[in-house]
Amino acid sequence: GESVGLHLPTLSVQEGDNSIINCAYSNSASDYFIWYKQESGKGPQFIIDIRSNMDKRQGQRVTVLLNKTVKHLSLQIAATQPGDSAVYFCASYSSASKIIFGSGTRLSIRP
Amino acid sequence: DAMVIQNPRYQVTQFGKPVTLSCSQTLNHNVMYWYQQKSSQAPKLLFHYYDKDFNNEADTPDNFQSRRPNTSFCFLDIRSPGLGDAAMYLCATSREWKETQYFGPGTRLLVL
Repeated sequence: GESVGLHLPTLSVQEGDNSIINCAYSNSASDYFIWYKQESGKGPQFIIDIRSNMDKRQGQRVTVLLNKTVKHLSLQIAATQPGDSAVYFCASYSSASKIIFGSGTRLSIRP
Repeated sequence: DAMVIQNPRYQVTQFGKPVTLSCSQTLNHNVMYWYQQKSSQAPKLLFHYYDKDFNNEADTPDNFQSRRPNTSFCFLDIRSPGLGDAAMYLCATSREWKETQYFGPGTRLLVL
């Protein structure tokens, strides 16, 4: 079946460094991708999205890169701060137009 | 201002005792979703409404039902909660299908 997978379940980053969270998807027909941030005890919060007609999209301190050739998606967080500590989920839509979430990467920040 | 509101934030129920979780939205979105999320896992879609059209996921247990009496409100009814139903229940909305989903804060359900 279709899947979305995060490369690493946990990531530890020094405060102030850049964070890169990677995600792979299986359905080459996926055309819409979203990154969510979920802090402990809260619902997922939309961070940034990208459609398949783009390779890169930037927000405030975040950049999403899409490589359709290898079906890979990444989220880059610049100058990581303690408030960035959370679980990050990538998600895409399946061929049946159902959203599929990846398993999540827990980002922790070292002082 | 809260856009997707879930009540209560924490719910304790007894094994087999029906429970209802509620969700409301101020976004006037067409689509409302209910997810179940267990510890350290991704959210799992239970069902969704497009307006009043109900769509059940194939693997959603019959124990779970939903109602959407109007655009703003959606309810999750668990008819006979089991210990395995203890989880965070997330409500989300989107303006249209296959658009960004906005999540509420969730209701954490504990089954004793």
